[in-house]
Amino acid sequence: KQEVTQIPAALSVPEGENLVLNCSFTDSAIYNLQWFRQDPGKGLTSLLLIQSSQREQTSGRLNASLDKSSGRSTLYIAASQPGDSATYLCAVPDGKIIFGKGTRLHILP
Amino acid sequence: EPEVTQTPSHQVTQMGQEVILRCVPISNHLYFYWYRQILGQKVEFLVSFYNNEISEKSEIFDDQFSVERPDGSNFTLKIRSTKLEDSAMYFCASSKQGHRETQYFGPGTRLLVL
Repeated sequence: KQEVTQIPAALSVPEGENLVLNCSFTDSAIYNLQWFRQDPGKGLTSLLLIQSSQREQTSGRLNASLDKSSGRSTLYIAASQPGDSATYLCAVPDGKIIFGKGTRLHILP
Repeated sequence: EPEVTQTPSHQVTQMGQEVILRCVPISNHLYFYWYRQILGQKVEFLVSFYNNEISEKSEIFDDQFSVERPDGSNFTLKIRSTKLEDSAMYFCASSKQGHRETQYFGPGTRLLVL
C-alpha cells in the first residue's frame, strides 16, 4: 500500500533564502508525482507534475526532482518570498491520488 | 484557463440531514473525483467516476455517500444522513485521461455538520 511522507512538517525561513522540501513514498512503481500548494482554508493548486521517466521539472523559482529508485522527491524553492507561505503537498497516483500530510512553510519578511 | 468549480463554498447542516455538493469539472475531462480533508488531516480520496460509473471508492465512501453526473456538466456528491464526523473540506477534481495525468482541483466546499 502506497504511503507518502513529507519532512519537515513545518518550516520557517527568512525571506530570500533557498529551501528544500522533502517527500518520500513507499512504492516506487509510480506513474508520476505531483506537488501542490494549499493556502489556508483554500483549494489545491497544482505546481509541478513529474512523469516517472523524468528526473526533474522546473517552473519559475520552483524545481522538483524525482528519484524513483530511492522513493524520494524534493521541491526546491529559490529566493523565497512571503507570498510562498502555504502548505506544500506531495502526491502520487495509485489509482487515486495519495497525499502526504504536507509541509507548512512560513517565509519571514 | 478552464477550471473546476464547486458550489456552495460553505454549507452548514444539521446532523441527519442530506447534503448535495456540486462540481462542474473541466469540460473535456473524462475522469472525476471527490476527496475530503478533515481539518488538520491529510487529503483523502473518496471516489473516482468514469463513463457514468464509479471506478474506485475508498472505505470512507460507504452507503451514506453517492455520486452522480446528472447532466453533461455537473458532478455531485450526496451525503444521505450527515454525521458530525462528515465535517470537512470536500474537493472535486477532474482529469482528461485518468490518474496518470494531472488532476485539477476545485476550490472546495467546506461542510460543517452541527
